[in-house]
Amino acid sequence: EAGVAQSPRYKIIEKRQSVAFWCNPISGHATLYWYQQILGQGPKLLIQFQNNGVVDDSQLPKDRFSAERLKGVDSTLKIQPAKLEDSAVYLCASSDSSGGRSYEQYFGPGTRLTVT
Amino acid sequence: RKEVEQDPGPFNVPEGATVAFNCTYSNSASQSFFWYRQDCRKEPKLLMSVYSSGNEDGRFTAQLNRASQYISLLIRDSKLSDSATYLCVVGNSGGYQKVTFGIGTKLQVIP
Repeated sequence: EAGVAQSPRYKIIEKRQSVAFWCNPISGHATLYWYQQILGQGPKLLIQFQNNGVVDDSQLPKDRFSAERLKGVDSTLKIQPAKLEDSAVYLCASSDSSGGRSYEQYFGPGTRLTVT
Repeated sequence: RKEVEQDPGPFNVPEGATVAFNCTYSNSASQSFFWYRQDCRKEPKLLMSVYSSGNEDGRFTAQLNRASQYISLLIRDSKLSDSATYLCVVGNSGGYQKVTFGIGTKLQVIP
């Protein structure tokens, strides 16, 4: 079974530039998550989708971050404009949301963003 | 108070030692509990779920104490390969499945 795919793996941009990340979840997984992980901290949820609807975006800085999940499959996360404090690893995860396994998340390799 | 709290460590232990980590959570209605492992510069991976009755997987034992609102992870006979960050994860269900990650506890097993 293919895992969660993310691209790019690394990105270096200057502040005030824009950047977009892509995620393809495990086939059949209805729930998709985007996390931000700053060095030395645990993953922080940015946005959670159930199919193609948003169920939690309370910690998404909506003035600069946006995300969409068209057709309930893959998703993109965009930052515009980027700030220095956005330097982090952006992790995408998915779960199948069925029965007792609904909380078990499978993570992609992440995108390491450096803002200079 | 943070939703999920962990001691960030690092815990430096010799090979073969037994080490235990605790994690406290603030929401008494939390329903699901997990330990994830994260190797340096890698993504988190599920280590084990934590059941009410406690559960064991080889050298790893997880316990849940609902009264005191904490979960624990015990690692016996530590191996060098156990060196990683262990993330505590707590799940709630309020219309949708919401999970919160702790900061993680760093373990370094030394020869």
